[in-house]
Amino acid sequence: GAGVSQSPSNKVTEKGKDVELRCDPISGHTALYWYRQSLGQGLEFLIYFQGNSAPDKSGLPSDRFSAERTGGSVSTLTIQRTQQEDSAVYLCASSLSGAINYGYTFGSGTRLTVV
Amino acid sequence: GENVEQHPSTLSVQEGDSAVIKCTYSDSASNYFPWYKQELGKGPQLIIDIRSNVGEKKDQRIAVTLNKTAKHFSLHITETQPEDSAVYFCAASRPPDDYKLSFGAGTTVTVRA
Repeated sequence: GAGVSQSPSNKVTEKGKDVELRCDPISGHTALYWYRQSLGQGLEFLIYFQGNSAPDKSGLPSDRFSAERTGGSVSTLTIQRTQQEDSAVYLCASSLSGAINYGYTFGSGTRLTVV
Repeated sequence: GENVEQHPSTLSVQEGDSAVIKCTYSDSASNYFPWYKQELGKGPQLIIDIRSNVGEKKDQRIAVTLNKTAKHFSLHITETQPEDSAVYFCAASRPPDDYKLSFGAGTTVTVRA
């Protein structure tokens, strides 16, 4: 596609449920990132995938969060046993390579609300 | 880790006036400083960036300046237009993990017609 596609655009879930957020990067982009944007705050790095290398998971806030990237393309961010503090906009980005020279292209995000 | 502070949090300017947003960073090893613009309901979009070997960079009505000694950098928008209304984020990264951006909290810019 022309841009980074994220689904769903909005998700409301009950506390304690698991959720899956999907990211479809720009075709040919080898690097993929997940960020979290909480209300009134900047973006917080979660995880980075680059080609076949081991992902950088250093930003995941707890073991309830996990992500995978299948076939070097689509990525899924999973949050288990959701809590109210998980409510945020989850943004995915991709870039031509892991070198920051290429800049990120962000998707429009998934707004997650935990009730 | 890197800490990026951004000021002001909100900025209202008259159309045609200039807008300035300032950011400071804590890690002297940071060497890449992008600025992103986020419109309502959309993801952030890169508008300009600067590297630590450059003091200033311009692109039409937008300019960014960097003071490495003071560890601060600024975004300047001249001749503001209503379409400049958005949230602006500064960010910084450092090697070797330069793919990992540390963002400021954002500035909501409103351009009054």
